[in-house]
Amino acid sequence: DVKVTQSSRYLVKRTGEKVFLECVQDMDHENMFWYRQDPGLGLRLIYFSYDVKMKEKGDIPEGYSVSREKKERFSLILESASTNQTSMYLCASSFWGNNQPQHFGDGTRLSIL
Amino acid sequence: AQSVTQPDIHITVSEGASLELRCNYSYGATPYLFWYVQSPGQGLQLLLKYFSGDTLVQGIKGFEAEFKRSQSSFNLRKPSVHWSDAAEYFCAVGYSGGGADGLTFGKGTHLIIQP
Repeated sequence: DVKVTQSSRYLVKRTGEKVFLECVQDMDHENMFWYRQDPGLGLRLIYFSYDVKMKEKGDIPEGYSVSREKKERFSLILESASTNQTSMYLCASSFWGNNQPQHFGDGTRLSIL
Repeated sequence: AQSVTQPDIHITVSEGASLELRCNYSYGATPYLFWYVQSPGQGLQLLLKYFSGDTLVQGIKGFEAEFKRSQSSFNLRKPSVHWSDAAEYFCAVGYSGGGADGLTFGKGTHLIIQP
């Protein structure tokens, strides 16, 4: 089975802190994604990556950056956390191709105080 | 731009009754279509997918979905629901061109099962 592991299930940080969310997949997938999930808004794509050191903006990239130094690891970075970034963050991965299903981690619930 | 609409925010169904969750998409070409389920506190699990061919697709946990091009719909069905089916269900669409874009998700339908 595909395993997508997010480093933290719950995280509490303070406004202005730099926050790192880590995601690791074990299936040699080319594509990796970061989504944000909010009640009533569904999932919204923040960034994705199709190869090491490659990244593309999604629908809501403002206030976020990403890093992919190794194929299996994709990090989401909140440069200066703000309260409106309190949310559930979901990482996903897939083989290359938009017909490939995405496999999700269990999510990180991030609270910014 | 592509979009996905799940018209029902909440649906309540009695255990043992049939279920249909609606999904409509907006996209110029034939899309790649997916249904995912999310149990409380968990990530999303793929139920089924449609790319081409037979418009009725079977998935896990006894679910099926039917692609209707004329209605731009991809509704999820189950003949008899179980209490364990209570969850959030998401329909998603992907571009048929390109190879590395994220999916566009609907806002989800929350399924409540009555005993």
